Parts: sequence; structure tokens; C-alpha cells
Amino acid sequence: GQNIDQPTEMTATEGAIVQINCTYQTSGFNGLFWYQQHAGEAPTFLSYNVLDGLEEKGRFSSFLSRSKGYSYLLLKELQMKDSASYLCAVRGLDSNYQLIWGAGTKLIIKP
Amino acid sequence: NAGVTQTPKFRILKIGQSMTLQCTQDMNHNYMYWYRQDPGMGLKLIYYSVGAGITDKGEVPNGYNVSRSTTEDFPLRLELAAPSQTSVYFCASSYSRSPGSGTEAFFGQGTRLTVV
Repeated sequence: GQNIDQPTEMTATEGAIVQINCTYQTSGFNGLFWYQQHAGEAPTFLSYNVLDGLEEKGRFSSFLSRSKGYSYLLLKELQMKDSASYLCAVRGLDSNYQLIWGAGTKLIIKP
Repeated sequence: NAGVTQTPKFRILKIGQSMTLQCTQDMNHNYMYWYRQDPGMGLKLIYYSVGAGITDKGEVPNGYNVSRSTTEDFPLRLELAAPSQTSVYFCASSYSRSPGSGTEAFFGQGTRLTVV
């Protein structure tokens, strides 16, 4: 079966760094997305990885290792507004390349 | 800059009632999607469309129907509402869905539906 695992909840301190992990088992691989979702709002796109390595975008970076079925989202210089859920989604080869979504990691930032 | 617009934002339905969730996008995207999001679960794809006149089932289509008569609109119909359909529904659209494409999906603000 296809599966994506993320920690349910994490807590970090304002100004610190946090790493949110995502492991996946899918039928083939055609890219991995990270989305941010504030409570009661729509998901918004953060990053996309299709090749191994690190993609940096301001305070956020995303890493991918296809051989390990593993990705992480790194958030630096945490701000209170980063309190949100972070969703990992993988595009496989089945079903017309639809996305398989993880349940999300709720990140709580403390002052 | 409207993007993806969903209505209504909230709705309470009685068991057995029907309703249509509206979704429209102004980005000229060919691909549109309906997801449901339940607590502690990942987004589940209900139906999707690759263009006007073309729709297909996703992972959890039972109890729902869609149509796509124009590029802009992709309404979701619930027939005979059941408590199991209590969820938050998101409509989304994207420009591309090609393998390896990083084109992201844009989401509407969601519809919180409760069936009692």
C-alpha cells in the first residue's frame, strides 16, 4: 500500500530551528510537496522536490532522499506565525499521478 | 486576485438532504480537484477534472458527484447526506499535473460541512 508518515505534533521555540520529517512508501515517485496550513485555512504551497538534495527558499528548506523514501522540511529563525500544520504530499505513478497526502505535523511555536 | 473561490464556508445538513458545494477559479487552470480533510487524516481526493467536460473518480468518490461544464467551475454535489460526510471540503486547481512538474495546487478556503 501507499503510506506517508509524519510526526503528529512538534513544539519549538521562537527564533530556533526545527526539522519536520516525512517518510513515504508509494508506487513510484514523481515529486514531493510541502504545504503549510494555518488552523481553519487552506493549505498553501511551500516547496517541491523531485531530485535528491536540498532546496532552499528563504527561512525554509526542503530535503529529499529518494533511496530512503525520506524528506524533511527545515524551518529556521522560527516566528510565531510559523505555528501551523505542515503537510507532506507525494506524487506517485499510480492513478494519473495523484498526490498522496500525509496527515500533517502540527507545529507549535512557544515564545 | 480571487484565485479559487468556494461557497458556502459553513453548512449544516440533515441526514438525507442534498447540497452543492460551489467552486470557481479565475486562473484558467485545466486541472481541478475536490478533497476532503478529516481530523488526523491526510487530504483525500474525491473527484478531479483535467478539463471542461472531463471528470474522474479519486480515492473516495462514493456519495458525491461532480460536473465540469466550464474551465472555471467545478461544483461538488452531495446526494443523500450522511454523518460520514461531515468534513472540511477543499477545492483546488493547478496549471499542470505532469510527472516531475512542481506546479503547485491552489486551494479554496474550504467548506466546513456538518451532517446531523
